[in-house]
Order: sequence, then structure tokens, then C-alpha cells
Amino acid sequence: SQQGEEDPQALSIQEGENATMNCSYKTSINNLQWYRQNSGRGLVHLILIRSNEREKHSGRLRVTLDTSKKSSSLLITASRAADTASYFCATAVSGAGSYQLTFGKGTKLSVIP
Amino acid sequence: AAGVIQSPRHLIKEKRETATLKCYPIPRHDTVYWYQQGPGQDPQFLISFYEKMQSDKGSIPDRFSAQQFSDYHSELNMSSLELGDSALYFCASSPTRVIYEQFFGPGTRLTVL
Repeated sequence: SQQGEEDPQALSIQEGENATMNCSYKTSINNLQWYRQNSGRGLVHLILIRSNEREKHSGRLRVTLDTSKKSSSLLITASRAADTASYFCATAVSGAGSYQLTFGKGTKLSVIP
Repeated sequence: AAGVIQSPRHLIKEKRETATLKCYPIPRHDTVYWYQQGPGQDPQFLISFYEKMQSDKGSIPDRFSAQQFSDYHSELNMSSLELGDSALYFCASSPTRVIYEQFFGPGTRLTVL
């Protein structure tokens, strides 16, 4: 990936606990997105945060963005077994005519019932 | 709601064979993206189309080609397959090229033997 690392690479927690995943990126962005991927399945868009935003909430999700550190974090509160999946951050890179996504390495989250 | 459709879902080929993957975007989405995800890797952008024209190119090998047809469906053609081409291939669509969120299909799992 051209965008850097996600941290941690794997995370295992008990149901009900909070899960925090971090993402770093290298280039200037105008937004950062988080996607979820169940094992071997397609990616599902979770949340988008713009470069002029510092924090955003959606249900049990909370995303922060620090453009000075080129980093973002995703917090899932009160985790459920169904949250078990891989989570990727992605930045939209403007090309000649579209906005292809550049993904981080992903964090594999396991929520134990 | 209609989602992105990909076919086939699974494909097994021998080395040096060819493969064609198909993608049907969400109705009224005019931008299509192709991504490749190797085992344990993050998705990598291959190519995109806007209004049936190639928009941007990523790390797509010369052995691969793609096009978008008049009904907006897209096909990824892969020739002289190599073992390293074994991966999940995702298609994503978005309503226009300036919309950052992408809607992913379930993927085609290609295995090259």
C-alpha cells in the first residue's frame, strides 16, 4: 500500500469492550474513509471524514482525524461478535478523472462472545 | 437496494490461460473501479472507468485489459495468467466520479493453478 500502516494489525477483545484502530497516511488528503471487510467478502463503507473535520460519529463508530500527524483512528464502542472483521482506512486519490482509493494494511478485529 | 454484481464469484484457471471477470454496477452509477486483493493484503487499485471511457490506471499488468460497455457493465480480461494473479478481484461503483464513497461488489476469487 502507498498509504502506510494500520495499527494494530490484529486486535482481539471481549464483547462489550471498545476497539480502537489507528491508521497513518503519507500524502495530503481531502478526506479519509473507513471500510469494513468480512472474511473474503466485499468492502463496506463505514464512515467518511473530511480534512477540515477532526471528529465524526456514526452510531457506535467514532472517527478522529489529525492532519498534522497524518493519522486517523476508528473507535468501535460496545463491540459485538458481529463486529468481527477487517477494517481498512482509505484515502481517495484524485486521478485524471476519478477518485481511486488507496487502502491501509488493515486491522483484523476479533470480538469474542 | 440493488448492489454491485460480480460474476463469476469463483474461478479456477491454469497458468497461461485467460480469464474474464464481469461487473454490473449499481443502476445509474457511471463510474466503475477495479481492485485486486492478494491473500492477507490490502486492495490495490487497478483501473477505473467513467462514462465508458478509461479514467485512471493503477498497478494493472499489461496482460490485463478492461472496458466499460454501453450498459455501464465492465469486464476485466486477464491473459497469460500467472500464479501470482491468484487474488480477490473487486469491482466498485460510484454515482459520479466526484463522489468519494465507493460501493463494492462481493468480489471474484480467482485461483490460478
